[in-house]
Amino acid sequence: AQKVTQAQTEISVVEKEDVTLDCVYETRDTTYYLFWYKQPPSGELVFLIRRNSFDEQNEISGRYSWNFQKSTSSFNFTITASQVVDSAVYFCALTPLSGGYQKVTFGTGTKLQVIP
Amino acid sequence: GAVVSQHPSWVICKSGTSVKIECRSLDFQATTMFWYRQFPKQSLMLMATSNEGSKATYEQGVEKDKFLINHASLTLSTLTVTSAHPEDSSFYICSARKGVGTDTQYFGPGTRLTVL
Repeated sequence: AQKVTQAQTEISVVEKEDVTLDCVYETRDTTYYLFWYKQPPSGELVFLIRRNSFDEQNEISGRYSWNFQKSTSSFNFTITASQVVDSAVYFCALTPLSGGYQKVTFGTGTKLQVIP
Repeated sequence: GAVVSQHPSWVICKSGTSVKIECRSLDFQATTMFWYRQFPKQSLMLMATSNEGSKATYEQGVEKDKFLINHASLTLSTLTVTSAHPEDSSFYICSARKGVGTDTQYFGPGTRLTVL
């Protein structure tokens, strides 16, 4: 069974501050994908990143960066110089790579509020 | 791109009626589509997995006779909530997977169902 924990329920930051969203996962599978999705107030989930468990390289995309540490089963997401448009609920998710049909397990989400 | 649409975006119905929600992959063929339910301030709960041309696989606790899923083509899946009751009021989100096996899911904008 898989489990994804996002301990931070809500975070508020002032615009231009950096913010890190934590994600800790549990899985018995040795190979898996990790995801981050953004859900703005409109409701639609927006895909941000997929990370293969083989690849522990950190990734940067503009103001977004991800820190994957297999040793601590964490896949944290940092937004640099936050903006009001970053206000949303962010979900971390995991799906095993082994076997056939494998469902995605979502964390409970972290609501980020960026205050102007 | 990977665009998924849902129709309608919101619906209000009377208790006892049935409601059909459509999920379409607009620019790719989706061998597998997923249906999720999201209660306010909660995470996504997978309801069922739908493969084109075969019966849907329902998660434990989801009534298959109440939530009818049809995946008639590689670009369309429908969810029908039969004899809806107020407790069925929720945000229903579909997603579609491009390839076979484990691949990124792309989400539709969601349908907000309110049953009076």
